[in-house]
Amino acid sequence: SQKIEQNSEALNIQEGKTATLTCNYTNYSPAYLQWYRQDPGRGPVFLLLIRENEKEKRKERLKVTFDTTLKQSLFHITASQPADSATYLCALDMDSNYQLIWGAGTKLIIKP
Amino acid sequence: EAQVTQNPRYLITVTGKKLTVTCSQNMNHEYMSWYRQDPGLGLRQIYYSMNVEVTDKGDVPEGYKVSRKEKRNFPLILESPSPNQTSLYFCASSSSLGDNEQFFGPGTRLTVL
Repeated sequence: SQKIEQNSEALNIQEGKTATLTCNYTNYSPAYLQWYRQDPGRGPVFLLLIRENEKEKRKERLKVTFDTTLKQSLFHITASQPADSATYLCALDMDSNYQLIWGAGTKLIIKP
Repeated sequence: EAQVTQNPRYLITVTGKKLTVTCSQNMNHEYMSWYRQDPGLGLRQIYYSMNVEVTDKGDVPEGYKVSRKEKRNFPLILESPSPNQTSLYFCASSSSLGDNEQFFGPGTRLTVL
């Protein structure tokens, strides 16, 4: 079955630097890959979606890449700020009945 | 304001005492889903609904029931809660017209003693 791996260790980044988070999956490529932000005790919030035929997607300081050969998506936050500190989740959409397969998330800490 | 609401936000109960967690969305979304989130395990889908009167099991449906009598509401029912159902629960909705980005409720933290 499809599995997703996100780095379980927290990622510590200095303010102003670029933070890069990784999402790896096994087996076949999803139709879409989504990234969400989750703050402690709150529901995830949708950030970006990238399709299997797209290499890169940008939104303000956020950039997502999708490499179906490596079976990997990278999520970048440029000019990081302490307010970007949160857990970031990736989710695969296999284009089947609206169901998503979720990663466990990576906690990002931006230090001032 | 477009939103998904859940009630209660926090609940402490005892084993075997039936409870219902309500979920409502005001975005006219067709798709609704319930997840539980446990440390290190990520979000696991319990049940989902494609539309009114259409529900189906997710990855971890045992011990839960749902219903979808109206488009906006999707309650989660625990007929006989057990301690292993202690978790953080999220309801989510999405539209068939979009790219399946999910809108989440604020969460319900349930403790079963």
